[in-house]
Amino acid sequence: NAGVMQNPRHLVRRRGQEARLRCSPMKGHSHVYWYRQLPEEGLKFMVYLQKENIIDESGMPKERFSAEFPKEGPSILRIQQVVRGDSAAYFCASSPILLTPGYGYTFGSGTRLTVV
Amino acid sequence: TQLLEQSPQFLSIQEGENLTVYCNSSSVFSSLQWYRQEPGEGPVLLVTVVTGGEVKKLKRLTFQFGDARKDSSLHITAAQTGDTGLYLCAGEGYSNYQLIWGAGTKLIIKP
Repeated sequence: NAGVMQNPRHLVRRRGQEARLRCSPMKGHSHVYWYRQLPEEGLKFMVYLQKENIIDESGMPKERFSAEFPKEGPSILRIQQVVRGDSAAYFCASSPILLTPGYGYTFGSGTRLTVV
Repeated sequence: TQLLEQSPQFLSIQEGENLTVYCNSSSVFSSLQWYRQEPGEGPVLLVTVVTGGEVKKLKRLTFQFGDARKDSSLHITAAQTGDTGLYLCAGEGYSNYQLIWGAGTKLIIKP
């Protein structure tokens, strides 16, 4: 496992469908962070998870969005009843422990969600 | 609310020229990170600056953190076409996992 793996790379959904985005952290990492990037904008924090625990979801919309990081398997970001405004690139990063000051993220290649 | 503003938003120059991009805020950050992002890929970390006044060099790239830890700059000497990309700065603010991101500087180096 060379890095953070995200799939699918591209996802097209019709309005009202569900989108599931997966993130497999680097080997040995137990902390996952999800960010969203809108076109021509910087990244925005969404949620921070440890295995089986949501630590901070303050950046995630209260409705339609949920995230999990089970004991086994990848972290999942789930968007229900997608709308056009959900179209964006979604990135995740991982770390072995809580980030220490100055620790830089290693990001996956992202999932580009397009809602039609 | 902590914000980071990057300037310029877009820069197109000839190969061999020098350039500087800026990342400014009215807030203090415990560190600033610079990333480069290629189309269709995730951001890749270039450097982290932690101490006010710190200067770090990465080959032809020079990064500086302002004395007050509110701003940073990236200077590229003798730009090459391979430097083309989106340069993003990100600051560690109230929490060290909730990075605050600038909107980026889109840099194009023409041969």
